[in-house]
Amino acid sequence: KAGVTQTPRYLIKTRGQQVTLSCSPISGHRSVSWYQQTPGQGLQFLFEYFSETQRNKGNFPGRFSGRQFSNSRSEMNVSTLELGDSALYLCASSSTSGDTQYFGPGTRLTVL
Amino acid sequence: AQSVTQLDSQVPVFEEAPVELRCNYSSSVSVYLFWYVQYPNQGLQLLLKYLSGSTLVKGINGFEAEFNKSQTSFHLRKPSVHISDTAEYFCAVRVRGTGGFKTIFGAGTRLFVKA
Repeated sequence: KAGVTQTPRYLIKTRGQQVTLSCSPISGHRSVSWYQQTPGQGLQFLFEYFSETQRNKGNFPGRFSGRQFSNSRSEMNVSTLELGDSALYLCASSSTSGDTQYFGPGTRLTVL
Repeated sequence: AQSVTQLDSQVPVFEEAPVELRCNYSSSVSVYLFWYVQYPNQGLQLLLKYLSGSTLVKGINGFEAEFNKSQTSFHLRKPSVHISDTAEYFCAVRVRGTGGFKTIFGAGTRLFVKA
C-alpha cells in the first residue's frame, strides 16, 4: 500500500500571501490530521477530519483552515501568512479503528 | 489531561553501544503508546507501538520498548546502535475521547551516534 503523500514538499511564500497544502491518506483511511512542527513549539495539533467533517481542532487562529474531500484527500489552507507560520506541516492518516497514525513526509513552508 | 515527558532532550552515544530513550506519560485513562523516528526534513516514521497484550514490543531497525503501567513509562531501547540511527525520536500517547482520538507528543529526544 502506498503511504501518506503530501504536496508540495517545499514552499516559499511572502508575508500576507495564502497557501494551500495537500495530503492524500493511505488507501482506505478516512481520518486525516494535520500538525505544525517548529523547533520552538514542537509538534502541535491543528485539526482532524473524518469523513469530510472536522472532528477535532487545535488552538490555532482562524487563518488556518482545512477541508476533506469525499475521497478522503485533505487540504489545509493558511491565509495572510506571517513569518511565524514557517514550519514543517505534517499530515497523518489513520484507519477507522483510529488507533495508529501514519505520517506523510511533510511540507516545509518558509515565509519570507 | 494527558502529558508526555521525554526525560532527555539529547543523548550522545558511541556506535555499537546500547541506548535507552526514556518516556513517561500521565493519563487517567487507558492509552495507546508509540515511538516515532524523524530523520532531517522528513516526516515521522512509526518505530513501534503498544496497543494491548505483551508489554514488551519489538519494532523496526532492532528497537524495542517496554510498557510499564505502574511507572507509566514506555522506554525505548536498542542493544547496539548504528550511525544511521542518528535522528530525533518522539514518544506519543493516543487517547480515545468523545470526538475520536487525540495524540499527545513528547518534546523529542535527539539521538546522536558517534563513530
